[in-house]
Amino acid sequence: SAVISQKPSRDICQRGTSLTIQCQVDSQVTMMFWYRQQPGQSLTLIATANQGSEATYESGFVIDKFPISRPNLTFSTLTVSNMSPEDSSIYLCSVGGQGLEQYFGPGTRLTVT
Amino acid sequence: AQTVTQSQPEMSVQEAETVTLSCTYDTSESNYYLFWYKQPPSRQMILVIRQEAYKQQNATENRFSVNFQKAAKSFSLKISDSQLGDTAMYFCAFMKRMEGWNTGNQFYFGTGTSLTVIP
Repeated sequence: SAVISQKPSRDICQRGTSLTIQCQVDSQVTMMFWYRQQPGQSLTLIATANQGSEATYESGFVIDKFPISRPNLTFSTLTVSNMSPEDSSIYLCSVGGQGLEQYFGPGTRLTVT
Repeated sequence: AQTVTQSQPEMSVQEAETVTLSCTYDTSESNYYLFWYKQPPSRQMILVIRQEAYKQQNATENRFSVNFQKAAKSFSLKISDSQLGDTAMYFCAFMKRMEGWNTGNQFYFGTGTSLTVIP
């Protein structure tokens, strides 16, 4: 299994600002994934982050709004840019396990006022 | 495109009783995997059980078992001897196995079932 930590665990931000969420894994992994979970909703994949290449974004998500960095095999960041109240969500990072399951971080609860 | 449907938004069960959560999915893929994840109030997503589509035998993990009906595209989760700690949101997930070493495994999640275990 993989142990994943995220920072911050929660934040309250003002409209128009940006927040960078950090994700740290205790082992080297090729792929890291970023999900959004809006209140009362399921998880929606934002993007897949590969080390050494540009992230791959899912339909409805763009790099200008959600820039991602992947500087090494244990770390990634997701930035939520120019925030609006609609961005209020839980943001989770995850990695794949050898058994093909995914392991998730504890999430970052973002509230935009 | 893959879709995962959980038709029961909320369920409750008496402690020590058995409950079954339903999940159906739609796919044209032949090589895929199915998972049940649990998300307690702490928000941490925890893997409960997984099933490989090529296996006919239903997966079992202690008190958790699945009823996998591939032709019907159904993947229900049975929790036996329910415990208070089972109270959580449960998500059914479909994973399409991607080809190539540098591709990710695409997960699709259902909308979840909120399970409450009543003492």
